[in-house]
Amino acid sequence: GAVVSQHPSRVICKSGTSVKIECRSLDFQATTMFWYRQFPKQSLMLMATSNEGSKATYEQGVEKDKFLINHASLTLSTLTVTSAHPEDSSFYICSANSGVSNEKLFFGSGTQLSVL
Amino acid sequence: GEDVEQSLFLSVREGDSSVINCTYTDSSSTYLYWYKQEPGAGLQLLTYIFSNMDMKQDQRLTVLLNKKDKHLSLRIADTQTGDSAIYFCAESRGGGGNKLTFGTGTQLKVEL
Repeated sequence: GAVVSQHPSRVICKSGTSVKIECRSLDFQATTMFWYRQFPKQSLMLMATSNEGSKATYEQGVEKDKFLINHASLTLSTLTVTSAHPEDSSFYICSANSGVSNEKLFFGSGTQLSVL
Repeated sequence: GEDVEQSLFLSVREGDSSVINCTYTDSSSTYLYWYKQEPGAGLQLLTYIFSNMDMKQDQRLTVLLNKKDKHLSLRIADTQTGDSAIYFCAESRGGGGNKLTFGTGTQLKVEL
């Protein structure tokens, strides 16, 4: 099946710094990518929908200035957590849709962010 | 709003069948999915079903959909210790190209 690579898998940073997470589709072009956030033992909550070449659509309650999303190419979307604080510590997962097999979404392996 | 609910925990013996249940509220759901998540990992798509189907079988996995009751289930036959994980159901409207709404997740524990 299609592969989505997410990097880094784990990051620890100091409060106030910014962290960039990359999501790449390795063997297909991803017209749409999604960013999810997951707290321990909880479900995935959609943060935003990212479309190649246009602005991301954020879900209600998600600060777009804090979680910057860039989808500059058909194989790469990035999520930047700006001025991270301990409450931003979470597991972030991206997923991608190829637009061909429209019923399937492929997920990255996730990034565990810990803000000290 | 959309709500997808699952029981939190299921424990079975190795070799038995597991049945994980899910209820949803959005009657316009088009596709319904089952994902598996192992500790610290992303989500693995196990199977999915289109809303006009009532059953889909794929090797050890059987998905049943009762659209009238908005109830989805995943049956794992001959459950193995490697099946221990969290299982999420999810629904979307208009196909996977659209966003998914995930259930709360069911922790499956397989005991020897």
